[in-house]
Amino acid sequence: QKEVEQDPGPLSVPEGAIVSLNCTYSNSAFQYFMWYRQYSRKGPELLMYTYSSGNKEDGRFTAQVDKSSKYISLFIRDSQPSDSATYLCAMSSGNTPLVFGKGTRLSVIA
Amino acid sequence: DVKVTQSSRYLVKRTGEKVFLECVQDMDHENMFWYRQDPGLGLRLIYFSYDVKMKEKGDIPEGYSVSREKKERFSLILESASTNQTSMYLCASNQVLAGTDTQYFGPGTRLTVL
Repeated sequence: QKEVEQDPGPLSVPEGAIVSLNCTYSNSAFQYFMWYRQYSRKGPELLMYTYSSGNKEDGRFTAQVDKSSKYISLFIRDSQPSDSATYLCAMSSGNTPLVFGKGTRLSVIA
Repeated sequence: DVKVTQSSRYLVKRTGEKVFLECVQDMDHENMFWYRQDPGLGLRLIYFSYDVKMKEKGDIPEGYSVSREKKERFSLILESASTNQTSMYLCASNQVLAGTDTQYFGPGTRLTVL
């Protein structure tokens, strides 16, 4: 079983839709959870960061962590064509490099 | 504004050539990373460095080496390039290895080995 599983998509939604992106993981030591966004031909950039379990909201984006289920989610409300990108989940147990999911490619159609 | 720059955006090399990929960061970060990104495989860590002249193997170090002679510069070396090393190479840096610290990525180098 891979440490981090993420559905690669592609996921295509109409503008204004609520998008749900998810990752599951197997390492119960993971405590730090991040979502990176990567536009075509660019490097990934940090979108959301969450420590341990719980929710975090930033504008149209909400990150959720459920450590009991080893499941993390990113919700995008009122999705825009500018949200079209690849979204990578990433996680770490502490003083170790991040472990990344494979990324989900999202297209928001105007 | 943090900047991680990579020496080339696109590179074409021949099998057997020695290839150098350069990465420079301007934020005095302690840690630097080299990844490769392939469709269906995601980001895979090749090597990282937490200090000058220090290096640690990542998940896929075979066929690669690295050099960090100065804090701001981290080089990835392909001693004898092969076609299966055709990929997007991404460099990243951060200050603290602990998961609390975001990694800043460069724009990537798309390497093609013919």
